[in-house]
Amino acid sequence: GNSVTQMEGPVTLSEEAFLTINCTYTATGYPSLFWYVQYPGEGLQLLLKATKADDKGSNKGFEATYRKETTSFHLEKGSVQVSDSAVYFCALSDQQGGSEKLVFGKGTKLTVNP
Amino acid sequence: DVKVTQSSRYLVKRTGEKVFLECVQDMDHENMFWYRQDPGLGLRLIYFSYDVKMKEKGDIPEGYSVSREKKERFSLILESASTNQTSMYLCASSSPGTGQETQYFGPGTRLLVL
Repeated sequence: GNSVTQMEGPVTLSEEAFLTINCTYTATGYPSLFWYVQYPGEGLQLLLKATKADDKGSNKGFEATYRKETTSFHLEKGSVQVSDSAVYFCALSDQQGGSEKLVFGKGTKLTVNP
Repeated sequence: DVKVTQSSRYLVKRTGEKVFLECVQDMDHENMFWYRQDPGLGLRLIYFSYDVKMKEKGDIPEGYSVSREKKERFSLILESASTNQTSMYLCASSSPGTGQETQYFGPGTRLLVL
């Protein structure tokens, strides 16, 4: 079945450091790919998404490019802030019976220190 | 603003109790989902529903049931709570699309079963 593998955390960075969180997927067909973020004490919210190969999703300084040849969707940010401390989830859409589910990775906890 | 609300942020129950977790969305979404989130395991889908009175099992339905009598409300029921059901429960909703759908999450209910 479809699956998502993302790098295990936790990841600890200093403010203004470069961030990469790796995500690879296994899927039949051409799923859409997502990054969700969960800030402390909150539910998940969509950070960015890409719906086809070579698409780049971007939001709040974060970017990820849908790479079909490497089945990857790595999350990057050039300069992280303390406020980016959160848990990040990579996900793909998994269509089943007319209702699309999301398959999530296990999450990567990011802590940014001042 | 889109909104998914869950009836409780924190809940403490005793083993064997019947537990109801309620979720309400105000976006007129067809699809609704229940997940549980556990450290190191990420999000796992319990049940989902793509229409009123319709339900589908997710990856870990054992020990749970659901009810969807109205479009905006999706309830998760623990018939006889057990300690291994201590977890964070997240509700989400979405509108069917073509692989581009975004799931909107509630803030979560942290359930402790003693």
